Amino acid sequence: EDQVTQSPEALRLQEGESSSLNCSYTVSGLRGLFWYRQDPGKGPEFLFTLYSAGEEKEKERLKATLTKKESFLHITAPKPEDSATYLCAVQSNQAGTALIFGKGTTLSVSS
Amino acid sequence: NAGVTQTPKFQVLKTGQSMTLQCAQDMNHEYMSWYRQDPGMGLRLIHYSVGAGITDQGEVPNGYNVSRSTTEDFPLRLLSAAPSQTSVYFCASSRIHANNSPLHFGNGTRLTVT
Repeated sequence: EDQVTQSPEALRLQEGESSSLNCSYTVSGLRGLFWYRQDPGKGPEFLFTLYSAGEEKEKERLKATLTKKESFLHITAPKPEDSATYLCAVQSNQAGTALIFGKGTTLSVSS
Repeated sequence: NAGVTQTPKFQVLKTGQSMTLQCAQDMNHEYMSWYRQDPGMGLRLIHYSVGAGITDQGEVPNGYNVSRSTTEDFPLRLLSAAPSQTSVYFCASSRIHANNSPLHFGNGTRLTVT
């Protein structure tokens, strides 16, 4: 069965304090791993897609990396506006078009 | 460009009532889907469609019906609401022929069943 586990559940950082969010996955053939950002009262907003181990993608203060078992979302020198819930999802050969989501990591950045 | 539009934003129902959650997209996406989001759980797929006239069940389909008569619209029907259906519902769409095209989400409908 395809599974996605995100850790930690919640993370509090000071502005400028870099850290990483983890997404561990077990799938029957990875077709893609997706990172989304969700603000309170809003729908998830797409950030990145990673397809194969070793791949990295960057956007502003965020960098996503992928290994055969997990993905990391690195946040460098975060700002208060980076506060949100970050969701990880996988698309597998077994699930077809469906995405399997983790429970998310809620990030709070204080100034 | 509106993207994915969901209505209503909030709804309160009594047990046994029926209602339809509306979803429309203006991106000409073939794939559309409905997810529910509950505290402490990840987004879970209810139903999805790969094109007009084609629908299929996701992980948690019981108590919900869908239809897809046009490319743009994908309504979700609750036939007899139950308190267990209290949740936030998200509609999402994507291209299907582009490999691993990301899902675009609406801003959700918050449903409370009393």
